This record gives sequence, C-alpha cells and structure tokens, in this order.
Amino acid sequence: NAGVTQTPKFQVLKTGQSMTLQCAQDMNHNSMYWYRQDPGMGLRLIYYSASEGTTDKGEVPNGYNVSRLNKREFSLRLESAAPSQTSVYFCASIWEGWSNQPQHFGDGTRLSIL
Amino acid sequence: KQEVTQIPAALSVPEGENLVLNCSFTDSAIYNLQWFRQDPGKGLTSLLLIQSSQREQTSGRLNASLDKSSGRSTLYIAASQPGDSATYLCAVRPLQGAQKLVFGQGTRLTINP
Repeated sequence: NAGVTQTPKFQVLKTGQSMTLQCAQDMNHNSMYWYRQDPGMGLRLIYYSASEGTTDKGEVPNGYNVSRLNKREFSLRLESAAPSQTSVYFCASIWEGWSNQPQHFGDGTRLSIL
Repeated sequence: KQEVTQIPAALSVPEGENLVLNCSFTDSAIYNLQWFRQDPGKGLTSLLLIQSSQREQTSGRLNASLDKSSGRSTLYIAASQPGDSATYLCAVRPLQGAQKLVFGQGTRLTINP
C-alpha cells in the first residue's frame, strides 16, 4: 500500500549511543518532515525538507541531524542519544503545490533512551 | 507564536450521541487547518482539511467548521460509534514562516457501547 514507511518501529538505546531512523514515502511527495510526540507536549517539528537536497530546522532541532537522501527518503540521526530524546518519532510527507493537501504520516518509531 | 489548544483533553460519551470537539488558535494568519485521528500506537490519519477561505468541510459523519476571525474550529461527529474512539488532533498551518503544522495536544475520545 502507498504511504509513509518508518523503520524501526521500536528501539531501545543506551545514553551516548547513536542511531538513524529511516523514513521512505512512495507518493512522489516533495516535502518531508520529522516530528516528535511527547505526553503533554503534542507533536513538535524537528526538521523538514522542502525538496530533495534541502533541509531546514524546525522547533526542536538540537541533538538531531537529517539527510534527504533522495526524493523518497528522509532520515533522522541521533549522534549521541540522551534520555530527553525518549519519544515517539513521526515522519510525514506532503505534495507542496498549488492546492492544499493533507500531510501523510507514518506509524512512528518508539524510541527509549536508558 | 502560534498556539493551538484543544479542550477537553478527554471526553467519554455513550454510543449514538452527537458530539463536538473544540480547537482554538491564537493567530488567525493561517493557510489551512487539519483534523487528524490517532489510534493507540499508530500514526496520524488526516480526517478533514479546511482551507483558510472555507467555512466548513464534511466527510461522512464528520463535519469540521472554521471561524478564522475568532480563532476557532470544531469537529462535529454525528451518531457516534465505538469505532470512533481515538485521539483527535487539530493542527494549523501558519501562513508565514516554516512549512510546518502547529498541533494541539489532542482530545482523547471514548465512545461507550
């Protein structure tokens, strides 16, 4: 089925470890986003990519890096994981064009940092 | 800074009732407003998108309204069913600045059989 695919679905890390969260979409969308969802905080934007080859910081970018590998894939990297990064991470994509379109979300990656 | 608030945080109603979920935002300069549904352990599913020039959108038993000048939106669910139980999130797309959505914290809805 077409949509946004995130891997892995679950991950447990120790403080200081690194990892990359993967996201891929097959809807030919040009813009992609990474959000984190925390209890009581709602969803907050970490980074976004308006098109292949471009990335920009969102509301909470500290401690993260991103790569827009191609039009389909947008990865999020934690270089040195901290307990404050325990969260559920969502990738989203959208076709940014002349008409209003909804964002499409993946099922999330549940990340625990011990 | 745009802020989005959803009240109540949780709502429990018997099956068959019509209900209204509320969303308010502080800055009326928006591109659009979206309502999402989130099931436990799942991602967000877009229910309705209202452009800034529109007053309402309908999909099946769902109707979303937008009053941009007062900074309010409502999601009306008719003849509620247990399958409607989920968290409902409201998000606005600001007119200026970064391409992003600003989310409310959601209303957790439980429909009791």
